[in-house]
Amino acid sequence: EDQVTQSPEALRLQEGESSSLNCSYTVSGLRGLFWYRQDPGKGPEFLFTLYSAGEEKEKERLKATLTKKESFLHITAPKPEDSATYLCAVQASYGNNRLAFGKGNQVVVIP
Amino acid sequence: DTGVSQDPRHKITKRGQNVTFRCDPISEHNRLYWYRQTLGQGPEFLTYFQNEAQLEKSRLLSDRFSAERPKGSFSTLEIQRTEQGDSAMYLCASSPGGATSGYGYTFGSGTRLTVV
Repeated sequence: EDQVTQSPEALRLQEGESSSLNCSYTVSGLRGLFWYRQDPGKGPEFLFTLYSAGEEKEKERLKATLTKKESFLHITAPKPEDSATYLCAVQASYGNNRLAFGKGNQVVVIP
Repeated sequence: DTGVSQDPRHKITKRGQNVTFRCDPISEHNRLYWYRQTLGQGPEFLTYFQNEAQLEKSRLLSDRFSAERPKGSFSTLEIQRTEQGDSAMYLCASSPGGATSGYGYTFGSGTRLTVV
């Protein structure tokens, strides 16, 4: 069964204090690894898809990287508006597009 | 088309009642998914449609749950004889066809169900 573990569960950062979120995964053949951002009371918002080890994607202050066992979401010089829960999910190569999600990393950026 | 729409946004129901939720996907997306999310957890897969065909159902989808997607457009998720454990956010998502979806899913804002 596909498994996704995210750490740390919760993180408080000072504005401008860079940090990284970890997503460890176990899947029988990775089709894609996804990062989403979720604000309270809303649905997840797509950020990145990574397909193979060594791949990197960037968007504003966020950078996602992928290895064969884990992915990192690096937040550079965060701002209070980056406060959210970041969800990692994997799609197995055998599946019909179902995603297996982790519990998320809850990030609070303090001004 | 502004995204995935879900209705209602909130639903409070008494235990034992039936409830139905609606999802309108992005019009050009032929794949539609239902997920359930409880507090502090990530979304859990419930079921998946390609056009009007329901191709996959999770073990989480008990006999009290049924989903339809008539004509491959909107979808409904019905829960019969609701239980307190059904309280959760029910999320709908859609994606375009193809081997991989480069932009992942597009999720709706969800329907929050509270069973009292």
